[in-house]
Amino acid sequence: GEDVEQSLFLSVREGDSSVINCTYTDSSSTYLYWYKQEPGAGLQLLTYIFSNMDMKQDQRLTVLLNKKDKHLSLRIADTQTGDSAIYFCAERYGGATNKLIFGTGTLLAVQP
Amino acid sequence: GAVVSQHPSRVICKSGTSVKIECRSLDFQATTMFWYRQFPKQSLMLMATSNEGSKATYEQGVEKDKFLINHASLTLSTLTVTSAHPEDSSFYICSASKGQNSGNTIYFGEGSWLTVV
Repeated sequence: GEDVEQSLFLSVREGDSSVINCTYTDSSSTYLYWYKQEPGAGLQLLTYIFSNMDMKQDQRLTVLLNKKDKHLSLRIADTQTGDSAIYFCAERYGGATNKLIFGTGTLLAVQP
Repeated sequence: GAVVSQHPSRVICKSGTSVKIECRSLDFQATTMFWYRQFPKQSLMLMATSNEGSKATYEQGVEKDKFLINHASLTLSTLTVTSAHPEDSSFYICSASKGQNSGNTIYFGEGSWLTVV
């Protein structure tokens, strides 16, 4: 199946690091993505990683990919209240298509 | 700026009527576009792949006669929700890609909120 799973909820204090986890199923995925969705808004692409990479860092964001375990994580350093949103991971299904399969979404709540 | 635009951003229609949502790639040609649906507090589910010049490919469980997709040009795909019912109320969002093998070239529209009353 094409299941991409995430934990539903994560609560952190402002200034702490947040780690959002994702497991996917398609071993042929070429790219994996992290999107942010604020209430009532569309999708904002945060970052992506190519499947032959283990890690990618982009300012406060660090993506780790364990291809063997099909596990993806997003670490947000120095989490701010403005980071409160729903975060979706997505896998580019099948490699030769631009179809994305989205995870179930993680609601990140940042406490001041 | 946005490279994929959707219109309308919000629409309210009466039950039983049809409503059309447009998805445009603004500065590139897209032979393939994708339509997703997101119910409140849920994830995005792929509905169909819109193929320029040919029939759309629908995901399992999506009624092709209810959700009509037309991709008449390389920059425009339309989704028509026919005989809309309140349960069709959802957030519909499209995506398009500039190329096949580059990670950062999948662009999403701003989304369209449909409310059926």
